[in-house]
Amino acid sequence: GQNIDQPTEMTATEGAIVQINCTYQTSGFNGLFWYQQHAGEAPTFLSYNVLDGLEEKGRFSSFLSRSKGYSYLLLKELQMKDSASYLCAVQDSNYQLIWGAGTKLIIKP
Amino acid sequence: GAVVSQHPSWVICKSGTSVKIECRSLDFQATTMFWYRQFPKQSLMLMATSNEGSKATYEQGVEKDKFLINHASLTLSTLTVTSAHPEDSSFYICSASVPQGGQPQHFGDGTRLSIL
Repeated sequence: GQNIDQPTEMTATEGAIVQINCTYQTSGFNGLFWYQQHAGEAPTFLSYNVLDGLEEKGRFSSFLSRSKGYSYLLLKELQMKDSASYLCAVQDSNYQLIWGAGTKLIIKP
Repeated sequence: GAVVSQHPSWVICKSGTSVKIECRSLDFQATTMFWYRQFPKQSLMLMATSNEGSKATYEQGVEKDKFLINHASLTLSTLTVTSAHPEDSSFYICSASVPQGGQPQHFGDGTRLSIL
């Protein structure tokens, strides 16, 4: 079956760094996406990884290891506005997105 | 670029009413659109995949006759919730993409549906 696992909830301090992990088992792999979703709003696209390694985009970075079925999203210099749910999604062999349940990130002052 | 517009953003109506939600890709041609439902504090649940000019593919457990999907053009897909009941109250979100590797789904702002 297809499965994506990520922690349900994480807490971090403003100004700190947090790493949100995602492991996956899917039928085929055409890339992994990270989305941010604030409460009551639709998800917004953050990053895409299809090759192994680290992709950096400002305060956010995303890492992929295809052999391990593993990715993480790294958030630096945390701000209060980063409080949101972070969704990991894998594009399978049919180009359909398989979604994780999301990680709720709570930022404390 | 890659803007998806969804209307209406909020609907409150009586039980038994049918409600139509529109999803438009404003600056790109979306061969595929997706309809999701999300209950409070839960993850996105894919309801159906809509391909332009063909019938939608519904996920297991989603009633085709209750959730009518039409994707008549490359920029517009509609979801009609027929004879809505209180248990259909939810946050409905559409997304659009070009089905190629590496192309993200771009989401509309969502429609909050409340059935009284």
